[in-house]
Formats: sequence, structure tokens, C-alpha cells
Amino acid sequence: DIQMTQSPSTLSAYVGDRVTITCRASQSISSWLAWYQQKPGKAPKLLIYKASDLESGVPSRFSGSGSGTEFTLTISSLQPDDFATYYCQQYHSYSYTFGQGTKLEIK
Amino acid sequence: QVQLVQSGTEVKKPGASVRVSCKTSGNIFSTFAIHWVRQAPGQRLEWMGWINAGNGGTMYSENFQGRVTITRDTSANTASMELRRLKPDDTAVYYCTNKGPGLHGFDVWGQGTMVTVSS
Repeated sequence: DIQMTQSPSTLSAYVGDRVTITCRASQSISSWLAWYQQKPGKAPKLLIYKASDLESGVPSRFSGSGSGTEFTLTISSLQPDDFATYYCQQYHSYSYTFGQGTKLEIK
Repeated sequence: QVQLVQSGTEVKKPGASVRVSCKTSGNIFSTFAIHWVRQAPGQRLEWMGWINAGNGGTMYSENFQGRVTITRDTSANTASMELRRLKPDDTAVYYCTNKGPGLHGFDVWGQGTMVTVSS
């Protein structure tokens, strides 16, 4: 299975900050990567697919980049609603593996 | 607006089976690619398998081979996931989700079903 590793596991930031989360794949996954936001007790929400395409309805402060084995999710100016856990997911292979998550906390 | 509505909370004993259903709204069920993902408490999301709602084709994670079966009932616009020989480690929230076409991600999610396995 392709392993997905996110960093950091926890991130503390202020409202208005620019933050970046990194996701690394154990082998090349081309651009077959998605990012999800999950709040406690809720289902994940798709933010980014194909590494950099913004899902409809998602604010433009979210952006994704990367290809191959290294990817990033950037939030340009944190809003109170953005404090949540973020997961990357590869869908290059049929294991559809997820990263361990990055918890974004208010500083 | 497409919605996926799952069945309710389940409590099972070790060794038992559980069946979780996922009903879609609208009349486009046959276009769906329904995946099942679970999340144990405090853990990452884990993919279990998927079904092509149109032709019934399935694929399962090796981690669940032999224990999981995903089916669909086109007349009821419903997909179901059965997990057998339950263990306490199977305690988790189980989600159904639809994968969009091509390079799209999992764009519609059910609300989740809590399954607790305890003696």
C-alpha cells in the first residue's frame, strides 16, 4: 500500500495567519491527491482534488499544490471556521490511503 | 443536492456481523461510485472498499478481504456494507461516500454510523 505522511501533526496559529500543511507519499501518485477538512463529530468535507483543483463552494483562501510524492495545502488567511483536522488522501492506487491528519488549533 | 443518508447506531458483540446501509436521494443512483471509509476513535480514515452502483462491480481493501461485502439495491437507491466476525478493534464510525468521476475526490458523504463492538 502507498503510505501517506502528513506534517505537522498539530499546528497552532492565529486568525489571519497563512499556514501550510505538507503531505508526502511513499511512492509517486502523480496528481491523484485530495485534501479534506473534518470537524469533530462530522464527516470529512472535500476541499481540493487532483492536487490543486478547488472543490465547488470552497473558499479561495484554500489552495493545493504538488505532484509526484510531495504536496501542500495552504490556507492564505485563517478564519475561525478553519480550525479543524485536515487529511490528505491518495487515489492513485486502489488502497485510497489517508494521511494521519493535521489538527489545526487556535493560538 | 445529492445526499447520502445512513442507517443508525449499532452495538454488536464480538464475532457478530453488522450491516450498514446508505440511501441516496435523487434518481441518479446508477451513476454513483459508493465507497466505504471508517474511522476508529482518534484514528485516521481507513478505506474499506467500493461498489459501482451501475454494474454492481466491487473492490475491497486487502485489510478486510473475506470479512466485508458491499452490495447495492438499485430499486431502493441503497448501498450496504456488511462486516463479519467483528472484533473490538472494529469499533468506529463508518461512512459511505461517493467518488466523483475521473480525478475527482470523495465529494458527498453520509452522516456516519457509529458501530460499537463490545462484550
